[in-house]
Amino acid sequence: DTAVSQTPKYLVTQMGNDKSIKCEQNLGHDTMYWYKQDSKKFLKIMFSYNNKELIINETVPNRFSPKSPDKAHLNLHINSLELGDSAVYFCASSQAGYGNSPLHFGNGTRLTVT
Amino acid sequence: DAKTTQPNSMESNEEEPVHLPCNHSTISGTDYIHWYRQLPSQGPEYVIHGLTSNVNNRMASLAIAEDRKSSTLILHRATLRDAAVYYCILKGDSWGKLQFGAGTQVVVTP
Repeated sequence: DTAVSQTPKYLVTQMGNDKSIKCEQNLGHDTMYWYKQDSKKFLKIMFSYNNKELIINETVPNRFSPKSPDKAHLNLHINSLELGDSAVYFCASSQAGYGNSPLHFGNGTRLTVT
Repeated sequence: DAKTTQPNSMESNEEEPVHLPCNHSTISGTDYIHWYRQLPSQGPEYVIHGLTSNVNNRMASLAIAEDRKSSTLILHRATLRDAAVYYCILKGDSWGKLQFGAGTQVVVTP
């Protein structure tokens, strides 16, 4: 009964490859997010979707392309992977974007680019 | 976005209370105060949130200053499982754009 699930948990790939990370939530939320946690452990928002529409795009390189086929899914596709993309990527969801709606996070996908 | 200031780390003995302070002097009237924690190798976990009044739930209590410029997360009886990084974050109506700082590393000793 995992609330926010991401696959894969680990992803090791070479520079220049294209990869995808999938995220699904079963909480009935209408807003989903991607966060990146770098080696210094800071969490930074990358994207936010509400009802399948892009709401936030935090100046992420256009090699990163999120796709939301429905409210329960938000996938992240990364083209031409670079060493600097190595990080842990977290998916999250909430009920709308209101201040009093908590975010629920997945357990992350650790991406290692060699 | 309004920012928060937290101590880098705090240490507590097991089964003792832990008081985690957070300063947010530039908080706006519509910002909610949220707390999350991140255990090693896991995603952030929601702990509690509040606007003006003190809040209690099964995990913790949140005490909010009358002027809302500071708050304190209270773990009533620390366990080893409470060892984590605790983040104090302000969340307004901006589509969940939580801005995480460095947080407070809580160390619990048996």
